[in-house]
Amino acid sequence: DIVLTQSPLSLPVTLGQPASISCRSSQSLVYSDGNTYLNWFHQRPGQSPRRLIYKVSNRDSGVPDRFSGSGSGTDFTLKISRVEADDVGIYYCTKGTPWPPTFGQGTKVEIK
Amino acid sequence: EVQLVESGGGLVQPGGSLRLSCTASGFTFTKYWMSWLRQAPGKGLEWVATIEEDGNVKHYVDSLKGRFTISRDNAKNSVFLQVNSLRAEDTAVYYCARENWGVDYWGQGTLVVVSS
Repeated sequence: DIVLTQSPLSLPVTLGQPASISCRSSQSLVYSDGNTYLNWFHQRPGQSPRRLIYKVSNRDSGVPDRFSGSGSGTDFTLKISRVEADDVGIYYCTKGTPWPPTFGQGTKVEIK
Repeated sequence: EVQLVESGGGLVQPGGSLRLSCTASGFTFTKYWMSWLRQAPGKGLEWVATIEEDGNVKHYVDSLKGRFTISRDNAKNSVFLQVNSLRAEDTAVYYCARENWGVDYWGQGTLVVVSS
C-alpha cells in the first residue's frame, strides 16, 4: 500500500503568519486517468474531518482562499497564507484512488 | 446539503458485536460508493471498509477482514457496518463517509467502546 508521510507533525504558528505542511507519498499518485487524487482534510478538536482541498489544488466550497494546495507526483503541500485562530486542529493528507485509501499521520496546528 | 448520520455505537464487552448504521440525505445515494472509517482515541484516521453503488462489491482493510461486514440498503439510503468479535483495540469513533474519488463528506461519528 502507498504510504503518506506528513511533516512536520506539530506546527506552532503565530496568528497572521503563514504555515506550510508537507505530504510525501511512497509512490507517484498520478492515476491512469491523468488525475492525482490527493486531498487535504482539517479536523477541529471534537469534530469530524472536513475536506479542504481535492485533487491536489482544488478548494472545496466555502473554504477560504487562505488555503491552497500544490504539488505533483509524490510531493504535495498545503499552505495557509495567514493563520487564524479557527485554523487550529489536525490536518491530514489522504489519497483516494488508487485503492486502498490511506492517510498521513496528521499535522497538529496550534497557536503560539 | 449532504448529511450522514451514524448510530448504533455504545459500550460492548470484548467478543461482542454491534451493528452500526448510517443514514444519508442530500444527494443521490445510489450513485456513490460509501465507506466506514475509524479513529481511535487520540489517534489518526483509518479506513475500514467500502461498498460500491449496487452493494455487490466490497472492500476491506486486510486486518479486519472476517470480523467486519459492510452492507447497504439503497431503498433506505443507508449503509451498515456489522462488527463482530470486538477487541479493546477496536475502541474508536466510527465514521460513515461518502466516496467521490476519495472521501468528501463525513458523518459526525458514533463511538464504540470495547471494555469489560
